[in-house]
Amino acid sequence: EPEVTQTPSHQVTQMGQEVILRCVPISNHLYFYWYRQILGQKVEFLVSFYNNEISEKSEIFDDQFSVERPDGSNFTLKIRSTKLEDSAMYFCASSEVGENSPLHFGNGTRLTVT
Amino acid sequence: GDSVTQMEGPVTLSEEAFLTINCTYTATGYPSLFWYVQYPGEGLQLLLKATKADDKGSNKGFEATYRKETTSFHLEKGSVQVSDSAVYFCALITNRDDKIIFGKGTRLHILP
Repeated sequence: EPEVTQTPSHQVTQMGQEVILRCVPISNHLYFYWYRQILGQKVEFLVSFYNNEISEKSEIFDDQFSVERPDGSNFTLKIRSTKLEDSAMYFCASSEVGENSPLHFGNGTRLTVT
Repeated sequence: GDSVTQMEGPVTLSEEAFLTINCTYTATGYPSLFWYVQYPGEGLQLLLKATKADDKGSNKGFEATYRKETTSFHLEKGSVQVSDSAVYFCALITNRDDKIIFGKGTRLHILP
């Protein structure tokens, strides 16, 4: 069964550094998402992306965050200047076009900001 | 706004016990409802779904029925196993929107 893949599985970075989290969505999916889960807390929506542009973003997704689909397969989340509170598990997801299609999630990237 | 409320954990049961994890939702329109499961150290996996009232989603012995009259989607399993230990998330997608909204998750511990 096709999967959403994310790399790296764990990223450690120093405060103030830029990080790029990478995702390869399922190939025939057209909606892409990033969610994050701070340890032990709720899974929170960050951003959705469709037709090469952001379709919706949460208040968490401030100017420090950006997303890009640089080629036909990758979907990246960039955090420009990381803060300690950015430490979390970041999940990429994709879905087909179609009403209420379920999201398929990757295994996540654990980001640790020191 | 749209939201999902699920019972707080952790829930601890013995193997072969009956499981219910309650989930209720608030949404305008007619959402699709989902249960996702997160096993230790892994990502979120779709467990089951239901897209309209009275639909029953089922997978791996788990079931949930979309009850519009009570705005609920309770997860049940007749006989749990140790391998079912995980965090379970109830979620919805409305037909106005494309993003999924999660409940806070319920951690399930199954004791041998």
